[in-house]
Amino acid sequence: EVQLAESGGGLVQPGGSLRLSCAASGFNFDDYAMHWVRQASGEGLEWVSTISWNDGWKTINRHYADSVKGRFTISRDNAKNSLYLQMNSLRPEDTALYYCARSLGELSFPIDSWGQGTLVTVSS
Amino acid sequence: DIQMTQSPSSLSASVGDRVTITCRASQGIRSDLGWYQQIPGKAPKRLIPAASSLQGGVPSRFSGRGSGTEFTLTITNLQPEDSASYFCLQHSSFPLTFGGGTKVEIK
Repeated sequence: EVQLAESGGGLVQPGGSLRLSCAASGFNFDDYAMHWVRQASGEGLEWVSTISWNDGWKTINRHYADSVKGRFTISRDNAKNSLYLQMNSLRPEDTALYYCARSLGELSFPIDSWGQGTLVTVSS
Repeated sequence: DIQMTQSPSSLSASVGDRVTITCRASQGIRSDLGWYQQIPGKAPKRLIPAASSLQGGVPSRFSGRGSGTEFTLTITNLQPEDSASYFCLQHSSFPLTFGGGTKVEIK
């Protein structure tokens, strides 16, 4: 069974940093592109970032929403079947439930599984 | 950026009804669109992986159509457990963009 389990959320002051993690299991992590998507309370979904699949040879591609570019960094550790999101210079508008998700490719393949999310609250 | 316009934003229908939700893309996205269901407090669940194909394990009362710029999700014979939010997601180009969502309420 495919499982994606996010962690690392919490309360942080504006300007602070947080590192989210997503532990993947039940599938070959190397074969999948991975995504972060967020949802503010009562709002719609917003794509945050995508990292390409990586078999150790292929160049890793990273993509970011303009709203987080330069502040957030997506990374993956295939040996640990884990996805990460380093979030710096956090703003109140970054407050949201952050989901990790997977797809077979960066584009042209739909997201097919989602985690349960981890809540990030940016407030003083 | 590709804008996804989803309508209606909410609807109320009775058990057994047929409902249709539409997503329009601001430019052609071939069939690179998925439909998802989200029950409050739960993670999104994929319904239609491409514009018209059904995800395994998803009831056949859910169907999707469209390509290019106009896409529809139809639920026939609406059931109480279909009370949820539904949204589309285009995966044709970055940034990936979502429709605004449709909240389906059962009368």
